Amino acid sequence: NAGVMQNPRHLVRRRGQEARLRCSPMKGHSHVYWYRQLPEEGLKFMVYLQKENIIDESGMPKERFSAEFPKEGPSILRIQQVVRGDSAAYFCASFSFAGTSVTDTQYFGPGTRLTVL
Amino acid sequence: EDQVTQSPEALRLQEGESSSLNCSYTVSGLRGLFWYRQDPGKGPEFLFTLYSAGEEKEKERLKATLTKKESFLHITAPKPEDSATYLCAVQAANTGNQFYFGTGTSLTVIP
Repeated sequence: NAGVMQNPRHLVRRRGQEARLRCSPMKGHSHVYWYRQLPEEGLKFMVYLQKENIIDESGMPKERFSAEFPKEGPSILRIQQVVRGDSAAYFCASFSFAGTSVTDTQYFGPGTRLTVL
Repeated sequence: EDQVTQSPEALRLQEGESSSLNCSYTVSGLRGLFWYRQDPGKGPEFLFTLYSAGEEKEKERLKATLTKKESFLHITAPKPEDSATYLCAVQAANTGNQFYFGTGTSLTVIP
């Protein structure tokens, strides 16, 4: 999973500030997923994007959270007006899309650990 | 509702003591079942993908098997470096965009 890059690795924000998490997928991958992981909990799906398109955002809170994956540059998960409950590890995963079927295997980045004070 | 349950939550083994981890799932049509290994402070590392009941895959001391209701990750003669959390995930045919993860089994192998 070394090919998927996330930054920053650690992010500290005060309540009410904005957090921006970046994800660069593996070379050749044009689809990314974002997940949130809380201690003692499993990875929770947030959003699935391809370049310039949000495919499924059903796992993302409707307020304060947004995601994008521009034609050029990394995918960004943006959290506005952070609250303490947003403290978690956020992972992105990338994969390639071949023809009419997804190749399915996701490769994860190292994650961003967000701490809200 | 699609669900993934892993057991046990935690497992301690002596080095060389073989065992199995379980992943039970309920999905409306399985598209794929995935095993990952996660070390503390790191992202999940891909291990296996299984697509149909009866399928098996092996990698070093690990072997994954799949039935219609569950998957097992067999660890043969584990070593301390196998200590990690092992995650199972399923992709359902009717919600193909989403992958459902279990909460994992934390494995500790004692020298």
